[in-house]
Amino acid sequence: QVTLKESGPALVKPTQTLTLTCTFSGFSLSTYPIRVSWIRQPPGKALEWLARIDWNDDKFYSPSLKTRLTISRDTSKNQVVLTMTNMDPVDTATYYCARWRVAGGGFDYWGQGTLVTVSS
Amino acid sequence: DIQMTQSPSSLSASIGDRVTITCQASQDIREYLNWYQHKPGTAPRLLIFDTSNLETGVPSRFSGSGSGTDFTFTISSLQPEDIATYYCQHYGNLPYTFGQGTKLEIK
Repeated sequence: QVTLKESGPALVKPTQTLTLTCTFSGFSLSTYPIRVSWIRQPPGKALEWLARIDWNDDKFYSPSLKTRLTISRDTSKNQVVLTMTNMDPVDTATYYCARWRVAGGGFDYWGQGTLVTVSS
Repeated sequence: DIQMTQSPSSLSASIGDRVTITCQASQDIREYLNWYQHKPGTAPRLLIFDTSNLETGVPSRFSGSGSGTDFTFTISSLQPEDIATYYCQHYGNLPYTFGQGTKLEIK
């Protein structure tokens, strides 16, 4: 059974760094062709893809956020970590981690999401 | 980045109606297009992958078609549990982008 769950602070202050952890089970991120992404959704707005890490540790970022994002993995703990620097109120959103489908396209398994509010 | 233009942004329909949502890509994405259903407080659910393939467990009233830049998502007979926001998403190249969403309501 595949599951993913996001964890991290619910509230961060402007300029702070956000660290989110995605803990998953039911698959291994060191097995081809597993890929895990982070996606966010500001309140009332659309989904936005942020970053991706692959089975071979390749990493990819949204060009608009590339300078602020770092994605990493701990295969022994079955975790993917996303850090986002210099947080701003516009970064207030529900943050999701999701697994890319093994065959074909699409995010087939998602975490429940974690709401992060940026406010002083 | 490839832009995904989804329409309409909202839609009101009656139970049993046929519902159609369109998504247009700013450049050719072949058939690299997925559709999701999103209900408040839950994670998005993959319904259709690679333009027309039904994800496991998804009812057959959902379907998708298209190629290149123009895509269509259809619910053949709207059910009460279909009330949600629907998103298209391309993966022709990175970054993946989503449409702006179509909020579906019952008339």
